Amino acid sequence: GDSVTQMEGPVTLSEEAFLTINCTYTATGYPSLFWYVQYPGEGLQLLLKATKADDKGSNKGFEATYRKETTSFHLEKGSVQVSDSAVYFCALGALSSSARQLTFGSGTQLTVLP
Amino acid sequence: EAQVTQNPRYLITVTGKKLTVTCSQNMNHEYMSWYRQDPGLGLRQIYYSMNVEVTDKGDVPEGYKVSRKEKRNFPLILESPSPNQTSLYFCASSWGQGAYEQYFGPGTRLTVT
Repeated sequence: GDSVTQMEGPVTLSEEAFLTINCTYTATGYPSLFWYVQYPGEGLQLLLKATKADDKGSNKGFEATYRKETTSFHLEKGSVQVSDSAVYFCALGALSSSARQLTFGSGTQLTVLP
Repeated sequence: EAQVTQNPRYLITVTGKKLTVTCSQNMNHEYMSWYRQDPGLGLRQIYYSMNVEVTDKGDVPEGYKVSRKEKRNFPLILESPSPNQTSLYFCASSWGQGAYEQYFGPGTRLTVT
């Protein structure tokens, strides 16, 4: 079945550091890929998405490129801020008519220190 | 404002006492889901609904029930809660499955003693 493997956390960075959170997936067909962010005490919200190979999703300075050849969707940001501290989830969305809608990775806790 | 609401936000209960967590969305979405979030496990889907009166099991449906009598509401029912159902629960809705963005509620933290 579909699965998402995400970089283990927690990750602690200083402000303005470069961020990479790795995400790889296993899926049949051609899924859509997502990054969701969960700020403390809140529900998840969509950060960015990509629907086909070589697509780049971007939002709020974050980027991720859908790499079919390496089955990856790594999240990057060139200069993190304290306000980026949150839990980040990589997710895969199947396009088949059956079963579940999204498969999530286990989440990566990011803490950015001033 | 487009939103998904859940109630209650926090609940402490005892083993075996039936409870219901409500979920409501105001976006006319057809698709709704319930997830539980546990440390190190990410989010796991409990049940989902593709439309009114259409529900199906997700990854971890044991011990839970749902119903979808109206498009906007999707309550989660624990008939006889047990301590292993202590978790953070999220309701979500979207236009459809697969490539569609999901909108999440704020979460319900449930403790079963």
